Amino acid sequence: AQTVTQSQPEMSVQEAETVTLSCTYDTSESNYYLFWYKQPPSRQMILVIRQEAYKQQNATENRFSVNFQKAAKSFSLKISDSQLGDTAMYFCAFMKHVDNNDMRFGAGTRLTVKP
Amino acid sequence: KAGVTQTPRYLIKTRGQQVTLSCSPISGHRSVSWYQQTPGQGLQFLFEYFSETQRNKGNFPGRFSGRQFSNSRSEMNVSTLELGDSALYLCASSPGGRVDTQYFGPGTRLTVL
Repeated sequence: AQTVTQSQPEMSVQEAETVTLSCTYDTSESNYYLFWYKQPPSRQMILVIRQEAYKQQNATENRFSVNFQKAAKSFSLKISDSQLGDTAMYFCAFMKHVDNNDMRFGAGTRLTVKP
Repeated sequence: KAGVTQTPRYLIKTRGQQVTLSCSPISGHRSVSWYQQTPGQGLQFLFEYFSETQRNKGNFPGRFSGRQFSNSRSEMNVSTLELGDSALYLCASSPGGRVDTQYFGPGTRLTVL
Protein backbone atom coordinates (compact mmCIF):
# COMPACT_ATOMS: atom_id res chain seq x y z
CA ALA A 1 0.00 0.00 0.00
CA GLN A 2 1.10 3.51 -0.70
CA THR A 3 1.63 5.84 2.25
CA VAL A 4 2.36 9.54 2.32
CA THR A 5 4.08 11.17 5.28
CA GLN A 6 4.19 14.85 6.11
CA SER A 7 6.38 15.17 9.17
CA GLN A 8 5.69 18.84 9.89
CA PRO A 9 2.20 19.30 11.37
CA GLU A 10 2.65 23.07 11.61
CA MET A 11 5.01 25.66 10.19
CA SER A 12 5.21 29.41 10.09
CA VAL A 13 7.08 31.86 7.92
CA GLN A 14 7.44 35.61 7.69
CA GLU A 15 5.87 37.35 4.77
CA ALA A 16 8.24 37.58 1.77
CA GLU A 17 10.45 34.78 3.04
CA THR A 18 10.88 31.25 1.69
CA VAL A 19 9.57 28.09 3.29
CA THR A 20 9.90 24.41 2.43
CA LEU A 21 7.32 21.78 3.30
CA SER A 22 8.42 18.15 3.44
CA CYS A 23 6.75 15.06 2.08
CA THR A 24 7.94 11.49 1.80
CA TYR A 25 6.09 8.54 0.35
CA ASP A 26 6.40 4.83 0.18
CA THR A 27 5.62 2.86 -2.95
CA SER A 28 6.89 -0.01 -5.03
CA GLU A 29 5.51 1.54 -8.18
CA SER A 30 7.85 3.02 -10.75
CA ASN A 31 5.34 5.26 -12.46
CA TYR A 32 3.13 7.55 -10.44
CA TYR A 33 2.06 11.13 -9.85
CA LEU A 34 2.58 13.46 -6.93
CA PHE A 35 0.56 16.52 -6.01
CA TRP A 36 0.51 19.38 -3.56
CA TYR A 37 -2.92 20.70 -2.70
CA LYS A 38 -3.71 23.79 -0.63
CA GLN A 39 -6.79 24.10 1.61
CA PRO A 40 -7.22 27.68 2.92
CA PRO A 41 -9.28 28.14 6.09
CA SER A 42 -12.94 27.46 5.33
CA ARG A 43 -12.26 27.38 1.62
CA GLN A 44 -12.01 24.62 -0.88
CA MET A 45 -8.95 22.65 -1.79
CA ILE A 46 -7.04 23.72 -4.85
CA LEU A 47 -4.14 22.19 -6.74
CA VAL A 48 -0.81 23.92 -6.20
CA ILE A 49 1.50 21.78 -8.28
CA ARG A 50 1.75 18.36 -9.93
CA GLN A 51 4.76 16.17 -10.73
CA GLU A 52 4.94 13.10 -12.94
CA ALA A 53 7.44 10.59 -11.59
CA TYR A 54 8.87 9.82 -15.02
CA LYS A 55 9.91 13.47 -15.45
CA GLN A 56 13.28 14.30 -13.98
CA GLN A 57 12.72 18.03 -14.16
CA ASN A 58 11.17 19.52 -11.05
CA ALA A 59 7.79 21.16 -11.57
CA THR A 60 7.41 24.87 -10.95
CA GLU A 61 4.35 27.10 -10.82
CA ASN A 62 5.14 30.76 -10.24
CA ARG A 63 6.31 31.07 -6.61
CA PHE A 64 5.83 27.34 -5.98
CA SER A 65 8.39 24.71 -6.88
CA VAL A 66 9.13 21.17 -5.86
CA ASN A 67 12.25 19.20 -5.12
CA PHE A 68 11.47 15.70 -6.36
CA GLN A 69 13.98 13.06 -5.29
CA LYS A 70 12.69 9.79 -6.73
CA ALA A 71 15.33 7.52 -5.22
CA ALA A 72 14.78 9.01 -1.78
CA LYS A 73 10.98 9.07 -2.31
CA SER A 74 10.88 12.67 -1.29
CA PHE A 75 8.70 15.45 -2.69
CA SER A 76 9.12 18.79 -0.93
CA LEU A 77 7.33 22.03 -1.76
CA LYS A 78 9.15 25.35 -1.74
CA ILE A 79 7.16 28.56 -1.48
CA SER A 80 9.13 31.65 -2.36
CA ASP A 81 8.19 35.22 -1.44
CA SER A 82 5.49 33.97 0.94
CA GLN A 83 2.27 35.94 0.98
CA LEU A 84 -0.47 36.20 3.60
CA GLY A 85 -2.79 34.40 1.20
CA ASP A 86 -0.53 31.35 1.34
CA THR A 87 -1.79 30.64 4.86
CA ALA A 88 -3.49 27.24 4.54
CA MET A 89 -3.26 23.52 5.11
CA TYR A 90 -1.00 21.92 2.53
CA PHE A 91 -1.51 18.31 1.55
CA CYS A 92 0.90 16.12 -0.31
CA ALA A 93 -0.82 13.42 -2.38
CA PHE A 94 0.18 10.34 -4.35
CA MET A 95 -1.56 8.58 -7.22
CA LYS A 96 -0.49 5.44 -9.04
CA HIS A 97 -0.27 5.66 -12.80
CA VAL A 98 -3.40 3.67 -13.42
CA ASP A 99 -5.33 4.16 -10.24
CA ASN A 100 -8.42 5.85 -11.54
CA ASN A 101 -8.10 8.96 -9.50
CA ASP A 102 -7.59 7.23 -6.13
CA MET A 103 -5.35 9.78 -4.41
CA ARG A 104 -3.59 9.02 -1.14
CA PHE A 105 -3.03 12.07 1.02
CA GLY A 106 -0.59 12.93 3.77
CA ALA A 107 -1.84 14.29 7.09
CA GLY A 108 -1.16 17.85 6.03
CA THR A 109 1.02 20.76 7.17
CA ARG A 110 -0.63 23.87 8.55
CA LEU A 111 1.31 26.85 7.23
CA THR A 112 0.89 30.30 8.72
CA VAL A 113 2.38 33.31 6.99
CA LYS A 114 3.02 36.12 9.45
CA PRO A 115 3.05 39.80 8.51
CA LYS B 1 -16.65 27.60 -16.08
CA ALA B 2 -18.48 27.10 -12.84
CA GLY B 3 -16.59 25.06 -10.28
CA VAL B 4 -17.59 21.91 -8.47
CA THR B 5 -20.66 22.44 -6.34
CA GLN B 6 -21.83 20.38 -3.40
CA THR B 7 -25.16 20.43 -1.63
CA PRO B 8 -26.01 20.80 1.12
CA ARG B 9 -23.06 22.56 2.68
CA TYR B 10 -24.00 21.61 6.21
CA LEU B 11 -26.06 18.74 7.54
CA ILE B 12 -26.96 17.50 11.00
CA LYS B 13 -28.31 13.98 11.44
CA THR B 14 -28.79 11.53 14.27
CA ARG B 15 -27.39 8.05 14.62
CA GLY B 16 -29.20 5.43 12.60
CA GLN B 17 -30.48 7.85 9.99
CA GLN B 18 -29.34 7.92 6.40
CA VAL B 19 -28.09 10.83 4.37
CA THR B 20 -27.61 11.71 0.71
CA LEU B 21 -25.04 14.23 -0.47
CA SER B 22 -24.92 15.70 -3.94
CA CYS B 23 -22.08 16.81 -6.17
CA SER B 24 -22.23 18.62 -9.50
CA PRO B 25 -18.94 18.45 -11.41
CA ILE B 26 -17.37 21.03 -13.64
CA SER B 27 -19.09 21.09 -17.01
CA GLY B 28 -17.53 18.49 -19.30
CA HIS B 29 -15.96 16.49 -16.50
CA ARG B 30 -17.02 12.87 -16.47
CA SER B 31 -15.26 11.59 -13.37
CA VAL B 32 -16.39 12.29 -9.83
CA SER B 33 -14.46 11.13 -6.77
CA TRP B 34 -15.53 11.30 -3.15
CA TYR B 35 -13.31 11.75 -0.11
CA GLN B 36 -13.92 11.81 3.62
CA GLN B 37 -11.91 14.28 5.70
CA THR B 38 -11.68 13.92 9.47
CA PRO B 39 -9.17 15.27 12.01
CA GLY B 40 -8.20 11.76 13.04
CA GLN B 41 -7.98 9.92 9.73
CA GLY B 42 -7.26 12.82 7.40
CA LEU B 43 -8.37 12.59 3.79
CA GLN B 44 -9.51 9.17 2.67
CA PHE B 45 -10.70 8.07 -0.75
CA LEU B 46 -14.23 6.69 -0.80
CA PHE B 47 -14.94 5.92 -4.46
CA GLU B 48 -14.86 7.23 -7.99
CA TYR B 49 -17.53 7.23 -10.65
CA PHE B 50 -17.00 7.56 -14.37
CA SER B 51 -19.73 7.36 -16.99
CA GLU B 52 -22.27 6.21 -14.41
CA THR B 53 -20.09 3.29 -13.27
CA GLN B 54 -18.07 2.91 -10.12
CA ARG B 55 -14.53 2.67 -11.39
CA ASN B 56 -12.62 2.55 -8.13
CA LYS B 57 -13.41 2.05 -4.47
CA GLY B 58 -11.63 2.77 -1.22
CA ASN B 59 -11.73 0.82 1.99
CA PHE B 60 -15.06 1.88 3.47
CA PRO B 61 -17.97 -0.29 4.66
CA GLY B 62 -20.95 -1.00 2.47
CA ARG B 63 -22.98 1.66 4.30
CA PHE B 64 -21.24 4.12 2.02
CA SER B 65 -22.53 4.01 -1.52
CA GLY B 66 -22.83 6.29 -4.47
CA ARG B 67 -24.11 6.71 -7.94
CA GLN B 68 -23.65 8.89 -10.95
CA PHE B 69 -26.24 10.17 -13.36
CA SER B 70 -26.03 10.61 -17.09
CA ASN B 71 -25.23 14.32 -16.66
CA SER B 72 -22.23 13.30 -14.48
CA ARG B 73 -23.80 14.61 -11.29
CA SER B 74 -23.12 12.26 -8.43
CA GLU B 75 -24.72 11.41 -5.14
CA MET B 76 -23.26 9.74 -2.12
CA ASN B 77 -25.38 7.92 0.41
CA VAL B 78 -24.53 6.85 3.91
CA SER B 79 -26.98 4.54 5.64
CA THR B 80 -27.30 3.77 9.34
CA LEU B 81 -25.21 6.73 10.37
CA GLU B 82 -22.66 6.37 13.16
CA LEU B 83 -21.03 9.07 15.25
CA GLY B 84 -17.75 8.37 13.48
CA ASP B 85 -19.27 9.36 10.16
CA SER B 86 -19.11 13.00 11.21
CA ALA B 87 -16.75 14.53 8.69
CA LEU B 88 -16.25 16.88 5.81
CA TYR B 89 -17.17 15.04 2.62
CA LEU B 90 -15.36 16.34 -0.42
CA CYS B 91 -16.21 15.71 -4.00
CA ALA B 92 -13.70 16.19 -6.80
CA SER B 93 -14.23 16.15 -10.53
CA SER B 94 -11.85 15.58 -13.40
CA PRO B 95 -12.14 15.19 -17.17
CA GLY B 96 -12.09 11.42 -16.96
CA GLY B 97 -8.61 10.18 -17.70
CA ARG B 98 -7.02 7.67 -15.40
CA VAL B 99 -4.69 10.18 -13.82
CA ASP B 100 -6.27 13.58 -13.99
CA THR B 101 -5.86 16.67 -11.92
CA GLN B 102 -8.86 16.74 -9.64
CA TYR B 103 -10.85 19.85 -8.85
CA PHE B 104 -12.48 19.89 -5.45
CA GLY B 105 -15.79 21.24 -4.28
CA PRO B 106 -16.29 23.13 -1.00
CA GLY B 107 -17.47 20.01 0.81
CA THR B 108 -20.46 19.02 2.88
CA ARG B 109 -19.98 19.17 6.62
CA LEU B 110 -21.91 16.26 8.15
CA THR B 111 -22.48 16.14 11.89
CA VAL B 112 -23.95 12.99 13.41
CA LEU B 113 -25.46 13.38 16.88
